[in-house]
Amino acid sequence: EVQLVESGGGLVKPGGSLRLSCAASGFSLSSDTMNWVRQVPGKGLQWVSSISSRNTVIYYADSVKGRFTISRDNAKNLVFLQMNNLRAEDTAVYSCARAKFPGDVGGFDIWGQGTLVIVSS
Amino acid sequence: DIVMTQFPLSLPVTPGEPASISCRSSQSLQHSNGYNYVDWYLQRPGQSPQLLIYMGSDRASGVPVRFSGSGSGTDFTLKITRVEAEDVGVYYCMQALQTPWTFGQGTKVEIK
Repeated sequence: EVQLVESGGGLVKPGGSLRLSCAASGFSLSSDTMNWVRQVPGKGLQWVSSISSRNTVIYYADSVKGRFTISRDNAKNLVFLQMNNLRAEDTAVYSCARAKFPGDVGGFDIWGQGTLVIVSS
Repeated sequence: DIVMTQFPLSLPVTPGEPASISCRSSQSLQHSNGYNYVDWYLQRPGQSPQLLIYMGSDRASGVPVRFSGSGSGTDFTLKITRVEAEDVGVYYCMQALQTPWTFGQGTKVEIK
């Protein structure tokens, strides 16, 4: 079965750090552009970051730039999101999503179920 | 940033009847290649979003033919020819022309 599974979420204090992982199974993500999208429970979707298949093109939303770092390990079929200096407004469910075509063209056709990050003292 | 505005935000529907959701972007989403870089997603209750339509009008794999996307430039529409009970959820449009990729606020579709 083709799927993405996120892990690494949890409760963290403001200013703290977390590292999220996204594991692909049933397919190799080595040729795919991968993204992180977050959603505050009950609210809408917000794109967070994107990484091309060979790490050559990386984008971030302004709200996380300088604090979050996206990376990948194609050999292990994994994508990561290192989140530093976390703020209360970063509280959300974080999902990874595969772009159908390179450059995020064609939509995100595979999504994980997400991992909940709560930033609170 | 490109702002995506959906309407209506809430849409009560009757099974078997058609439904339509609109999405307007703050700038043209038409690429120089002629394609419109807008996608549509359905997030059913308790589930992750599912890609329905990409590049404005191409139906994703496994998506029923009752779903269609149209529009160009700044105005786009998702249509359901005959709504079924499984179509309830929140529908989002998203632009992928320039970063940051941005989503509409979502349209909640529920059965009357």
